Amino acid sequence: DVKVTQSSRYLVKRTGEKVFLECVQDMDHENMFWYRQDPGLGLRLIYFSYDVKMKEKGDIPEGYSVSREKKERFSLILESASTNQTSMYLCASGRDANPLGGNEQFFGPGTRLTVL
Amino acid sequence: AQSVTQPDIHITVSEGASLELRCNYSYGATPYLFWYVQSPGQGLQLLLKYFSGDTLVQGIKGFEAEFKRSQSSFNLRKPSVHWSDAAEYFCAVGITGGGNKLTFGTGTQLKVEL
Repeated sequence: DVKVTQSSRYLVKRTGEKVFLECVQDMDHENMFWYRQDPGLGLRLIYFSYDVKMKEKGDIPEGYSVSREKKERFSLILESASTNQTSMYLCASGRDANPLGGNEQFFGPGTRLTVL
Repeated sequence: AQSVTQPDIHITVSEGASLELRCNYSYGATPYLFWYVQSPGQGLQLLLKYFSGDTLVQGIKGFEAEFKRSQSSFNLRKPSVHWSDAAEYFCAVGITGGGNKLTFGTGTQLKVEL
């Protein structure tokens, strides 16, 4: 089975702190994704990466950056955490698009981040 | 750009009753479609997916979904709900040439009454 792990289930940080969220997948997937999940808003894509050292902005990249130095690891960085970044953060991975157009994503358990 | 609408924010059904969760998408061509489930405190788990072919798709846990092109819908169904099905359900759409990017609906929270 595909396994996507996230470094923390719960995290509490203070405003202005630099925050690192780590995600690791063990199925050699090319693509990795970071989402934030908020009530009533569903999942919104922050950033994704389709290869090592490659990244693209998603729908809400402001206030975030990412790093992918190794294929299995994708990090989300909050340069200066703010209270409006309190949320559930979900990491996902997936293979390259198949000939029919795409593939499903596999999700980690999530990190609930609270910024005080 | 593609979009997904899940018109029901909350649904309550009795255990043993049938279930239908609605999903409508907006996209000019045939998309590929997914239903995911999220149990409390967990990540998302894939229930089923549609890429092409038979428009009635079977998934895990007794769920099925039907793709209706004319209605731009991909509704999720289960004939008899179990208390363990209480969770949040997300519909997602991807587009050809969009790589692996998915657009998610806002979710439907299912409550099951015993």
